[in-house]
Amino acid sequence: DAGITQSPRHKVTETGTPVTLRCHQTENHRYMYWYRQDPGHGLRLIHYSYGVKDTDKGEVSDGYSVSRSKTEDFLLTLESATSSQTSVYFCAISDGKQFFGPGTRLTVL
Amino acid sequence: QKEVEQDPGPLSVPEGAIVSLNCTYSNSAFQYFMWYRQYSRKGPELLMYTYSSGNKEDGRFTAQVDKSSKYISLFIRDSQPSDSATYLCAMGNTNAGKSTFGDGTTLTVKP
Repeated sequence: DAGITQSPRHKVTETGTPVTLRCHQTENHRYMYWYRQDPGHGLRLIHYSYGVKDTDKGEVSDGYSVSRSKTEDFLLTLESATSSQTSVYFCAISDGKQFFGPGTRLTVL
Repeated sequence: QKEVEQDPGPLSVPEGAIVSLNCTYSNSAFQYFMWYRQYSRKGPELLMYTYSSGNKEDGRFTAQVDKSSKYISLFIRDSQPSDSATYLCAMGNTNAGKSTFGDGTTLTVKP
């Protein structure tokens, strides 16, 4: 298995609170991605990174920000969580082939 | 209209059947084509990775890409209950770049 971990694996939070999800890789891959997966919408790209401090928006980036200060870590922040951000969040890394982490289940009440 | 359309399913077959999973796409720039398998409450797992048109075989799995028709397929021979999962197609136009995913087809293989 590709060396990707996500933390936390489960989180319940309240509307309006900030939330940070962490993705950590041990593969030294350049590209990292954050997706959300919802019924009826499949996997949708939130943000991605093509190097340290180099990030760009995906198709559903509103309400999310990211940071990558080290090759191995990619953080996703919900500045003020809303119920519409209840979802399963997956991190992925790529060296030409994309590998996914185990996911984080986030519930915003 | 979505860039990638996947047969929605769900699909239910008896053990031992041949399964065909299909996706169509509209972006002619796509050159890299992937199939992922996702078990319930798990992350997607890369099954097949192909570049450009043609076939690729790996055990019971065969991936086909027809760029002229913008159509890709995954065939599973001698299907097993352990193949029961959601299958996602994905494609991209650069190596290591962004991929666009289909919504997935849920397959159940009954013993």
